[in-house]
Amino acid sequence: QSVLTQPPSLSGAPGQRVTISCTGSSSNIGAGYDVHWYQLLPGTAPKLLIYGNSNRPSGVPDRFSGSKSGTSASLAITGLQAEDEADYYCQSYDNSLNVVLFGGGTKLTVL
Amino acid sequence: QVLLVESGGGVVQPGRSLRLSCAASGFTFSNYAMYWVRQAPGKGLEWVAVISDDERSEYYADAVKGRFTISRDNSKNTLYLQMNSLRAEDTAVYYCARGLTVISSRGYFDYWGQGTLVTVSS
Repeated sequence: QSVLTQPPSLSGAPGQRVTISCTGSSSNIGAGYDVHWYQLLPGTAPKLLIYGNSNRPSGVPDRFSGSKSGTSASLAITGLQAEDEADYYCQSYDNSLNVVLFGGGTKLTVL
Repeated sequence: QVLLVESGGGVVQPGRSLRLSCAASGFTFSNYAMYWVRQAPGKGLEWVAVISDDERSEYYADAVKGRFTISRDNSKNTLYLQMNSLRAEDTAVYYCARGLTVISSRGYFDYWGQGTLVTVSS
């Protein structure tokens, strides 16, 4: 059971908007630590999608956006495309465990 | 471009040792904290260890503390993970990843390698 909770799976049709949640607690997201998001495709290096809650690295399409409020964060993907089918992970820091934390991951299926 | 290439994975018996390497290129390796992150089969990502840019600081996840050692050779642009007393639960794909210029609670990983698979089995 991950300290950062994500839905195990989500699905959406091409062109739709999906949102992946990442729920933490007062010792991680709620303590003000930033949330970052990664995309994992089989056989490829994980890719940073969002850093510092809402910032996109160069080269990441603006279809991807991040937000944070209270003890939760979200990754939104608009205009869903087949190539977005992947696993998505949130990451933060926990000051009671003193560790880098990852969410349990969300498998996104594009119908 | 930034490139991280892991090597050294394989099949090893429980209790034995293995050393992973991560060759870095395309950036000034000695300026960045470096991490190892793993993913067990069917499981999520798990932070394993971090080492500062100047090798003075290192930190470990409780699950590997006392068994794994992270190190780096800035002259060779290479990161290492010495894994001793391996257990079945250490079976995973091990990724090296670049952090910030300092070890920070605000840190994230902007570049990753493709990973190397370690299988601990008799």
